[in-house]
Amino acid sequence: NAGVTQTPKFRVLKTGQSMTLLCAQDMNHEYMYWYRQDPGMGLRLIHYSVGEGTTAKGEVPDGYNVSRLKKQNFLLGLESAAPSQTSVYFCASSYSTRYIPYEQYFGPGTRLTVT
Amino acid sequence: ELKVEQNPLFLSMQEGKNYTIYCNYSTTSDRLYWYRQDPGKSLESLFVLLSNGAVKQEGRLMASLDTKARLSTLHITAAVHDLSATYFCAAASGYGNKLVFGAGTILRVKS
Repeated sequence: NAGVTQTPKFRVLKTGQSMTLLCAQDMNHEYMYWYRQDPGMGLRLIHYSVGEGTTAKGEVPDGYNVSRLKKQNFLLGLESAAPSQTSVYFCASSYSTRYIPYEQYFGPGTRLTVT
Repeated sequence: ELKVEQNPLFLSMQEGKNYTIYCNYSTTSDRLYWYRQDPGKSLESLFVLLSNGAVKQEGRLMASLDTKARLSTLHITAAVHDLSATYFCAAASGYGNKLVFGAGTILRVKS
């Protein structure tokens, strides 16, 4: 099992450019998440999905869009990148029964710089 | 709105000593997670605490949860250099098992 994988690992964008980050998991998890990590701030939730075809906003959704067309994939899009979106982006996934949620498994991260 | 606070944010430890990291959260949450992150790496799950009074131990690390006090602690026993990393606690919020993270505690063990 590869677990949670992310593509690409590194990317440099110019302000105004667009890009898509891909997250894939092979654990048949229902739930998937996108976080960003900035120094001294821990991780903050951008968007999440509780199943194929569903998405919802997290704590810091502005400037990002997501799609979950297949259960195993969760895409994060930046339509017009801004320097404030320079960050490390982590994807995560988890099982969840209705009553006992399990821990989230994290991907290796994508380091994005916007100049 | 759920908020999570960790303290201390930086901990310089001597090998062989015991230390505790504290994690306070602001509203009801019955699921508390601890993660470890090495520099430039992803997050590794350490503990999942699901009920009041839960205590879990793995090697030199022990985590506990007091839901009435809205407090979790991560206790380090006889610190060793290999434990140097950043430790995050996170509390679950609402439907979808969304996690709210603390800012992290940078732990450095000195010999």
